This record gives sequence, C-alpha cells and structure tokens, in this order.
Amino acid sequence: GESVGLHLPTLSVQEGDNSIINCAYSNSASDYFIWYKQESGKGPQFIIDIRSNMDKRQGQRVTVLLNKTVKHLSLQIAATQPGDSAVYFCAENNNAGNMLTFGGGTRLMVKP
Amino acid sequence: NAGVTQTPKFQVLKTGQSMTLQCAQDMNHNSMYWYRQDPGMGLRLIYYSASEGTTDKGEVPNGYNVSRLNKREFSLRLESAAPSQTSVYFCASSDRWEQYFGPGTRLTVT
Repeated sequence: GESVGLHLPTLSVQEGDNSIINCAYSNSASDYFIWYKQESGKGPQFIIDIRSNMDKRQGQRVTVLLNKTVKHLSLQIAATQPGDSAVYFCAENNNAGNMLTFGGGTRLMVKP
Repeated sequence: NAGVTQTPKFQVLKTGQSMTLQCAQDMNHNSMYWYRQDPGMGLRLIYYSASEGTTDKGEVPNGYNVSRLNKREFSLRLESAAPSQTSVYFCASSDRWEQYFGPGTRLTVT
C-alpha cells in the first residue's frame, strides 16, 4: 500500500545550527501535508502544514518544503534550540475524508 | 478551552480484563479518532468517527470497539485485553485535516 516514510530515524544537531528533517511520500494524490512535533510523554502537536499547490511555507523558525516531482517533504528548523528536541512526524491527507496517514517519525536531539 | 482530554492517563490490566478509554473534545469538531503508538513507531489508526452517529474501522481495529456517545465524546473499549494491546493510545479530533491530539493513555497489559 502507499505510505509516508522518513529517511532518517535520528538526527543529532548542535544547538544554534539549522535542522532538516526529511519525509518521503508515495501517494501522488495527497493534497495536504502536516508536520507534528511530539515531546516525550505528550501527544503530537501541530507545527506547520502545506497544501499541494504550494512548494514552500514558512512559520516562526520553521519552513516546510514540498517537492512534488520526487514526492519529498522536508521540515527546516532554524537556530535549533534544546526545546526542539522531540520526535517529528510528517502526515499526509490523501483525499480519504479527514484522515491522515502518518510516517514513522524522526527523533531530533539537540546537543548543548 | 481544554482541547482534547483523555482518561485515564495510565492503566495496568491483566490479560482478559476489559476497560474503556474515554476521550472528549470541546472544539465542536465533527471528526474524532483513536490511534495507538508502539515504542519507536508512528501512529496507527484504530477507529474513527467522521461525524456524530458514525464509526469506521481504521488500520488496526481488531480487539477494539468504539462508541461515539455524542459530538464531544468518543470512547474506545477493550473487551478482553491482550499483551499485544500494550501501547500508548491517543485520541484526536478535527474539523478538516489538522488533527488535535490528547495527552494519551499509557496502557500495560500483563
């Protein structure tokens, strides 16, 4: 079946550096993508989303890039802070109502 | 607004026992979901309710039942718990695609 996946299960970065978390998706019909952040012992929290008619969207310190040609999604975090340490999930909506399909997650570790 | 709330936060069951996980949302969302998350893995959909009065199976429904009690509440029931159901359970709600998650219930079945 079609699914969302991630290239790197763990990413370790130095505090202050930029982080890039990647996600591959295989369903070309997906038209909406979300990045979630999950801190230890908590539920996932929305970070940023992007529609398929866009290729870039910026938030506060975060940018999501969408490359539909190669079905690739990335989350960029500028000036990574210790509070950014968490597991990050990408998710896609593939026109199946309001349902999302989640990727396996990438753990981001920020070194002081 | 409390958002999405779940009870209990933690539960230990013996094999064969039953229990109901409660979920409520105060955002007036139409859709609600139950997921399970196993260690080091992503979220897998157990059941969802697109609107009050409807429920549908997700990816891993076996061993579970759900009830959409009203627009606010969506419960998940384990009739006869098994060790394979040891997991963290998350409830979520949405109006469109963005889903809002509760804090989770950590369930251990011995």
